[in-house]
Amino acid sequence: DVQLVESGGGLVQPGGSLRLSCAASGFTFSTYWMSWVRQAPGKGLEWVANIKYDGSERYYVDSVKGRFTISRDNAKNSLYLQMNSLRGEDTAVYYCARLPGGTVTYPFSWGQGTLVTVSS
Amino acid sequence: DIVMTQSPDSLAVSLGERATINCKSSQSVLSRSNNKNYLGWYQQKPGQPPKLLIYWASTRESGVPDRFSGSGSGTDFTLTISSLQAEDVAVYYCLQYYSTHFTFGQGTKLEIK
Repeated sequence: DVQLVESGGGLVQPGGSLRLSCAASGFTFSTYWMSWVRQAPGKGLEWVANIKYDGSERYYVDSVKGRFTISRDNAKNSLYLQMNSLRGEDTAVYYCARLPGGTVTYPFSWGQGTLVTVSS
Repeated sequence: DIVMTQSPDSLAVSLGERATINCKSSQSVLSRSNNKNYLGWYQQKPGQPPKLLIYWASTRESGVPDRFSGSGSGTDFTLTISSLQAEDVAVYYCLQYYSTHFTFGQGTKLEIK
């Protein structure tokens, strides 16, 4: 079974850091682009970042550029999101998602998400 | 960045009737190289992750009922549910993946009238 399982969410103070993980199984992780997408409570979906299957290309939404870093460890079948200088507006459920084939196109397989709350 | 604007923000349709959701992009998402529209549609129910319904603007994802269809090209797109079922109550989002910086529409909440 194909699975994406996010972890690492929790409560963090403004200015703090958090590292999210996404454990992938059931497919050849090293051949897929991956994404992080977030959803603030009661709000819509917001794309956060993409990373190429070999980690050589990364793209970020402007609001997180310089604060968040997407990375992956293909040997561990894991995707990460390092979040620094967190702000209240970063409070959201964070989903990891898989993009088809070796292409940067539509996310088609999603995890259940992990909640990040930034509050003092 | 490409801005995606959906209309309406919310919609109430009777069971068995047609539901239509529109999505407009601030610039064309049609690729000249492969003649494909880089536009997808997602359904999200409360407490669940998004579910892919349509990609390349009109290709139905495997397992999606055929009452869901997508149309449009360039900057204007439509998701149509031909005969609304109770299980279709959800929020629907369009997504452009033409740019390396993806953008979603703001969402359309679909309810039963």
